[in-house]
Amino acid sequence: GAVVSQHPSRVICKSGTSVKIECRSLDFQATTMFWYRQFPKQSLMLMATSNEGSKATYEQGVEKDKFLINHASLTLSTLTVTSAHPEDSSFYICSASQGLGGGEQFFGPGTRLTVL
Amino acid sequence: AQRVTQPEKLLSVFKGAPVELKCNYSYSGSPELFWYVQYSRQRLQLLLRHISRESIKGFTADLNKGETSFHLKKPFAQEEDSAMYYCALRQGFKTIFGAGTRLFVKA
Repeated sequence: GAVVSQHPSRVICKSGTSVKIECRSLDFQATTMFWYRQFPKQSLMLMATSNEGSKATYEQGVEKDKFLINHASLTLSTLTVTSAHPEDSSFYICSASQGLGGGEQFFGPGTRLTVL
Repeated sequence: AQRVTQPEKLLSVFKGAPVELKCNYSYSGSPELFWYVQYSRQRLQLLLRHISRESIKGFTADLNKGETSFHLKKPFAQEEDSAMYYCALRQGFKTIFGAGTRLFVKA
């Protein structure tokens, strides 16, 4: 099946710094990528949807200036958490699909962000 | 509002026993429903979707529009079925996930 990777798998940073998380589709072209956030023992919450070459669509309540998403190519999307604070500590998961959001989603392994 | 509800956080059964993981949804249109599974230390992966009407690893799920349910069933649980199971509903481009049910199959 299709493979999606995320880098890094784990990151610890100081409060106030910015962190970039990469999501790559390794063997297919991902027209649409999704970013989720998962708190401990809770479900995945969709943060934003991005289509290659266009601006991301953010879910209600997600600050687009804080969570910058770039989907510059069909195999790479990045999520940058700007000026991170301890409350941003979470598990961030990306997924990718080949269609315009209508195809099967393939999930990355997730990135654990800890902000001190 | 669209919502997916999985009422059980944890379900524990003995090996060989039947399993039913409950999922209810609220959606005004025609729903497209999925079950995803996450095994220990692995990523989330699609288990099955209602439109396929298929059985994967012995699991089946039937969409019941009258009861707005999409329960996941397996007649005989195996230890390797122990995992986190998420029911999900697709609305256009977005997928809404339930809170998940952890299935623990005891030997």
